[in-house]
Amino acid sequence: DVVMTQTPVSLSVSLGGQTSISCRSSQSLVHSDGNTYLYWYLQKPGQSPQLLIYKVSNRFSGVPDRFSGSGSGTDFTLKISRVEPEDLGVYYCYQGTHYPPTFGGGTKLELK
Amino acid sequence: QVQLQQSGTELVKPASSVKISCKASGYTFTSNYMHWIRQQPGNGLEWIGWIYPGNGNTKYNQKFDGKATLTADKSSSTAYMQLSSLTSEDSAVYFCARGGIHWFAYWGQGTLVTVSS
Repeated sequence: DVVMTQTPVSLSVSLGGQTSISCRSSQSLVHSDGNTYLYWYLQKPGQSPQLLIYKVSNRFSGVPDRFSGSGSGTDFTLKISRVEPEDLGVYYCYQGTHYPPTFGGGTKLELK
Repeated sequence: QVQLQQSGTELVKPASSVKISCKASGYTFTSNYMHWIRQQPGNGLEWIGWIYPGNGNTKYNQKFDGKATLTADKSSSTAYMQLSSLTSEDSAVYFCARGGIHWFAYWGQGTLVTVSS
């Protein structure tokens, strides 16, 4: 299985600040169809995960532009700027390129 | 709006089976993949498999072969996951999520399954 390694495991950030989360995969996530099926989800406390970023860098409907995704191959980053209280929770990267699809271990974002 | 309404909390005995439902509304049920994902207590997320309700095709994570069985009822726009031979290791929150073959965007609220004698 493709291993998705997220760092750091936890982050402490000030409101209004900026931060980033790294996600590295054990294999290239470029699919044979040319797409890279790398996604970012946020799970707020007591809620289901919600999609933030799809295919590396595309913001899902309703996601503020404070969130941005980048990367290629095996190395990906989620950046969050102007952090707001509603951004707190656990962030997961996910790959859908290889079977079985796998998630990163999660990064918990907390307030400083 | 897209909604996935899952069935309620289950408390089941070891070695038994349980069937969880996920009722879809707000989109064409037969034209989207329905994925199932497990979240064990304090742990991350594991992909179990998907079903394509349009033709009943399924694909499973090998880890869940023989453990999970995915079905769908087009008449009621409801997807189901049956879990068999339950052990304490199967205690978890199970989510359904709608999307494409490689991804999912809309999640149900989750169903807590607790396996205990």
